[in-house]
Amino acid sequence: DAGVIQSPRHEVTEMGQEVTLRCKPISGHNSLFWYRQTMMRGLELLIYFNNNVPIDDSGMPEDRFSAKMPNASFSTLKIQPSEPRDSAVYFCASSLDPSQGREQYFGPGTRLTVT
Amino acid sequence: AQSVTQLDSQVPVFEEAPVELRCNYSSSVSVYLFWYVQYPNQGLQLLLKYLSGSTLVKGINGFEAEFNKSQTSFHLRKPSVHISDTAEYFCAVSDGFQKLVFGTGTRLLVSP
Repeated sequence: DAGVIQSPRHEVTEMGQEVTLRCKPISGHNSLFWYRQTMMRGLELLIYFNNNVPIDDSGMPEDRFSAKMPNASFSTLKIQPSEPRDSAVYFCASSLDPSQGREQYFGPGTRLTVT
Repeated sequence: AQSVTQLDSQVPVFEEAPVELRCNYSSSVSVYLFWYVQYPNQGLQLLLKYLSGSTLVKGINGFEAEFNKSQTSFHLRKPSVHISDTAEYFCAVSDGFQKLVFGTGTRLLVSP
């Protein structure tokens, strides 16, 4: 398997623009997680899905952030409008039945820079 | 709620020396415990995990960890480190449902 695929790997945009990050989980995995990593705040869970349904979005910073999972093989994280403080590395991870202790597999991340 | 404490933000060590990275957790329920490693400009990769059974868990790259329920610890060890072990190491706890709670990470710096 190719692992978790994220695109783009790098994104540079101007403040106020819309940004869309994409994730393809590992085939057969039923849970998907979006994280944000910064030097100041470390690794934060933003939202996770189980069987394409959002389960917990309490980590989403504010209404400018939204995430969707229209099917089992694709998810997006959208920021509209983007702000400089959104600059971070965004990771997507997937897992098969995490309730049984199955680990999460992480993608390579998208490094977002908002100027 | 679960939480994880990694007291050491950075651990410098010489090549071929032993190393221990400390992790303490708090939880009111039985937990699953994980150690992940992150190499520069990469995603996190699983080193090892504890679900149940033997308290000594062996992982990849010669790492091992010991689950200590009475001390609520899950310290990571390696008897002899290599330059290539330089990375950030994250301890994480699951509540047995779906979420992982990560610690703040420990940067292991191996020098010749």
